[in-house]
Amino acid sequence: RKEVEQDPGPFNVPEGATVAFNCTYSNSASQSFFWYRQDCRKEPKLLMSVYSSGNEDGRFTAQLNRASQYISLLIRDSKLSDSATYLCVVNKAAGNKLTFGGGTRVLVKP
Amino acid sequence: NAGVMQNPRHLVRRRGQEARLRCSPMKGHSHVYWYRQLPEEGLKFMVYLQKENIIDESGMPKERFSAEFPKEGPSILRIQQVVRGDSAAYFCASSPGGRSEGSFFGQGTRLTVV
Repeated sequence: RKEVEQDPGPFNVPEGATVAFNCTYSNSASQSFFWYRQDCRKEPKLLMSVYSSGNEDGRFTAQLNRASQYISLLIRDSKLSDSATYLCVVNKAAGNKLTFGGGTRVLVKP
Repeated sequence: NAGVMQNPRHLVRRRGQEARLRCSPMKGHSHVYWYRQLPEEGLKFMVYLQKENIIDESGMPKERFSAEFPKEGPSILRIQQVVRGDSAAYFCASSPGGRSEGSFFGQGTRLTVV
């Protein structure tokens, strides 16, 4: 089983709609959680950290469920520029390396 | 304030040659991480270095791969006797402290082995 699992998609989203997707992680000792965004053939860029209480950054909302070991990302009012691959990322306890999921591809269409 | 700089951006090597990938961290960052992304796959951790020290190399293949981060100059990821399976994007990230949250990634080096 992969340490961080994501639905690869693609999620085809009409412009202006809301899309949400999850990822699950296997290591219950994981301490830090993030969503990164990666455009085709580019480097990953930090989108947002994910906190237990849930957090919001503009149109993006992230949630963490430690009991069920999953993280979610919701994008409201989708823009064409939101088309990308969204990477779920976990930092293990006492570790310094990031563990990446395989990514969820989102395609926003007019 | 320049970001993480990697060079070259693209590197083509014949099977059996050596590949050297360079990474200069962001100014003020002393921690460097290397990741590899195989085609159609997610990023995989390779190695974590501080100046003159390898902290965690648990993701490095046992043979042909080595990394260093000297006191002066960029971090180097070296791949000896490259094979077709080494073709991938290699990303470097840096952070100011010992935890990798908030790491900033370079644009990557795309290695193609022919």
